[in-house]
Amino acid sequence: DSGVTQTPKHLITATGQRVTLRCSPRSGDLSVYWYQQSLDQGLQFLIQYYNGEERAKGNILERFSAQQFPDLHSELNLSSLELGDSALYFCASSAGLLNTEAFFGQGTRLTVV
Amino acid sequence: AQSVTQLDSQVPVFEEAPVELRCNYSSSVSVYLFWYVQYPNQGLQLLLKYLSGSTLVKGINGFEAEFNKSQTSFHLRKPSVHISDTAEYFCAVRGAQGGSEKLVFGKGTKLTVNP
Repeated sequence: DSGVTQTPKHLITATGQRVTLRCSPRSGDLSVYWYQQSLDQGLQFLIQYYNGEERAKGNILERFSAQQFPDLHSELNLSSLELGDSALYFCASSAGLLNTEAFFGQGTRLTVV
Repeated sequence: AQSVTQLDSQVPVFEEAPVELRCNYSSSVSVYLFWYVQYPNQGLQLLLKYLSGSTLVKGINGFEAEFNKSQTSFHLRKPSVHISDTAEYFCAVRGAQGGSEKLVFGKGTKLTVNP
């Protein structure tokens, strides 16, 4: 158990809908990362938050947004969903910035039908 | 910017045989290197990491990797594999100088250990 908790584990929704994925980092970790894993693109970095502030952005679509709350949990919002958004979404957390490793949650499997 | 190439998408081996999973990276700055393992329907688990110091790093489950700066490689090895090592393995890199701690992953290598 990595200590990173993601909910829900599975999500099935229709095209055009909006969903929210939730991540609770390991206790004390300030940095949260979101990654998308799909068969064609592999593991892609979406966005990073550090202590409530956005720190880095990857190839995140404009239909996607995220935030990190004062209690350090994070949410990834996906809207106007398309079939191609079906993927496994991982959250990871790390204690700080340099010299730290990222611990991954079990992921949320999103299926858009 | 960094990139990672995992040279083999699939590696089949027999139980108790040695295995090497190859990883090459590209970066204009110094890097940290990682190997993660993903078992079916599970998240990513860190196997080992190279941050600095000795170029031979040992990880969990008997795996080790060697950082070769001149060849920009970080190959993963295990002298004798078990059925339970069947999983997908990902090599990842991140810059060592701050700015962003995002990981850049390779496409993964599926290791299948046969009896």
